[in-house]
Amino acid sequence: KQEVTQIPAALSVPEGENLVLNCSFTDSAIYNLQWFRQDPGKGLTSLLLIQSSQREQTSGRLNASLDKSSGRSTLYIAASQPGDSATYLCALSGSARQLTFGSGTQLTVLP
Amino acid sequence: DGGITQSPKYLFRKEGQNVTLSCEQNLNHDAMYWYRQDPGQGLRLIYYSQIVNDFQKGDIAEGYSVSREKKESFPLTVTSAQKNPTAFYLCATTGQDRPTEAFFGQGTRLTVV
Repeated sequence: KQEVTQIPAALSVPEGENLVLNCSFTDSAIYNLQWFRQDPGKGLTSLLLIQSSQREQTSGRLNASLDKSSGRSTLYIAASQPGDSATYLCALSGSARQLTFGSGTQLTVLP
Repeated sequence: DGGITQSPKYLFRKEGQNVTLSCEQNLNHDAMYWYRQDPGQGLRLIYYSQIVNDFQKGDIAEGYSVSREKKESFPLTVTSAQKNPTAFYLCATTGQDRPTEAFFGQGTRLTVV
């Protein structure tokens, strides 16, 4: 059974800092990996999706990488802003299309 | 306005009562999912449906039931058999064109009173 781990559970950084969020998984037989953002009391917003044949995806200040051989993905956030404060979740999909989630990293960017 | 609509946003349940959470989508996606989120935890899959009139149990289906009579709708009933229903419930969909990109509704917070 797929297990997904996100470290750290919480992170606090000053505004302007570049940061990396980590996601590790146990089963490399995945279809894709998706990074989400969740604001308090809200649903999930999709940030980036990396298909299993891809190594990375970029959107604005965000860059996500995927290394299936080591079972790891990273989400890089450049020049962090207070508006980036949220919980970031990674999720993997297998053959049945449903997602397996990590428990998330709660990010606080201090002004 | 396209997307996934969950209602109500907040729901209160008395002991022994069944309640139904609504999830409606106009994305024309074939697959729909229900997830439960507890504080500080990731999402756990309750039920999913890949086509109309068919659905499968997820990891934590006990105490829940679903139906899929229309492509657009996938309601979740939290029955009295669910002993700890207080949680945040999220509905999601995936489509055929990009089969594994998931989109989520805004969630329903259920509280037992």
